Amino acid sequence: NAGVTQTPKFQVLKTGQSMTLQCAQDMNHNSMYWYRQDPGMGLRLIYYSASEGTTDKGEVPNGYNVSRLNKREFSLRLESAAPSQTSVYFCASMVAGSSNEEQYFGPGTRLTVT
Amino acid sequence: QKEVEQNSGPLSVPEGAIASLNCTYSDRGSQSFFWYRQYSGKSPELIMFIYSNGDKEDGRFTAQLNKASQYVSLLIRDSQPSDSATYLCAVPIYNFNKFYFGSGTKLNVKP
Repeated sequence: NAGVTQTPKFQVLKTGQSMTLQCAQDMNHNSMYWYRQDPGMGLRLIYYSASEGTTDKGEVPNGYNVSRLNKREFSLRLESAAPSQTSVYFCASMVAGSSNEEQYFGPGTRLTVT
Repeated sequence: QKEVEQNSGPLSVPEGAIASLNCTYSDRGSQSFFWYRQYSGKSPELIMFIYSNGDKEDGRFTAQLNKASQYVSLLIRDSQPSDSATYLCAVPIYNFNKFYFGSGTKLNVKP
């Protein structure tokens, strides 16, 4: 049981390049999330998927797209990377929307855009 | 006003002391509250959650919720150097499918 896995762990991009961050969970969770974390900013929600087949915007969706490929996988795509997207990206999952469910986080992807 | 606010710290306490971390939230309809711990360079992990007014204790950790005043706090008794981390407060909304996180409070426990 690997929990939540993310690839890659580190990535350096040039401005304008594109890439996809991959996330997978093996806990049969319904909901999945993408966050970014910048120094002093805490975690900010980019997109989330409450269930397979649905995606919704979070606080900071501009410049990103997502795909809920199946129940296990939720990818985040940067179409044209910008230096402002330099951050640590965390994927998370949870069983479903209830009052006492915790989110399980992946190890993070450290992205630098030059 | 941000949905969830925390003092960024750092909060420094000596080993063995009580560390008190606070979080305020803006949505009066919020029903449950989560505390996560994040070590430097690692991902967040759940410490505890609370959804009833009053105190909830788990080992050295106590969460306190005051819905009327819209704040939730985390007390760490007998603080240890291993408690040195950033503590994040999280509030779920929209049928618990979406979460707002505070910016986190960095705690330093000095030996």
